[in-house]
Amino acid sequence: ETGVTQTPRHLVMGMTNKKSLKCEQHLGHNAMYWYKQSAKKPLELMFVYSLEERVENNSVPSRFSPECPNSSHLFLHLHTLQPEDSALYLCASSPGTYNTGELFFGEGSRLTVL
Amino acid sequence: DQQVKQNSPSLSVQEGRISILNCDYTNSMFDYFLWYKKYPAEGPTFLISISSIKDKNEDGRFTVFLNKSAKHLSLHIVPSQPGDSAVYFCAASAASFGNEKLTFGTGTRLTIIP
Repeated sequence: ETGVTQTPRHLVMGMTNKKSLKCEQHLGHNAMYWYKQSAKKPLELMFVYSLEERVENNSVPSRFSPECPNSSHLFLHLHTLQPEDSALYLCASSPGTYNTGELFFGEGSRLTVL
Repeated sequence: DQQVKQNSPSLSVQEGRISILNCDYTNSMFDYFLWYKKYPAEGPTFLISISSIKDKNEDGRFTVFLNKSAKHLSLHIVPSQPGDSAVYFCAASAASFGNEKLTFGTGTRLTIIP
């Protein structure tokens, strides 16, 4: 296993479901991130974790709940989502939060909310 | 209000010619700029970066130019190759904001015509 891996790659869920996205990094990095990419919009930063502590919550609705049990794993728990939450969710990692800004991204989880 | 803008959603260039991708920013606090490349079904990968203390950075076929007075940067790819066909994202960060807070543009889809 190398780099940053995300599962599942595709997820379809109803508005009343509860699901989770998982991210794992094998780079020995200390910081992990969730980004959202909607069609024709820039990547939007959602959450930042540094050494398992959340350091940024970018005004994300509470129906998105992150969890970082250790520096290698990051989850995004989803519940009662809306159709407009359908997007590509990208996980990324970096050596630390005060580095040059270079992030290592996973392949993304494509979420469709019906 | 988008702080990083890529006004060309797409660009087509003949193989062997120069590809020039442009990016404008509005926040004068940005002091580090990055370009990411994204293939379909993959996460973005870091390509090249430049600090605001420089006006040019070169890495092989890729050169990034920064014009601080115009708040403009560009990525030059020469010669362009078919494998360069991808979506290119411009991103910016500021040490005072925390370098992990990258602000992305909407991307430019580059197609290299054989």
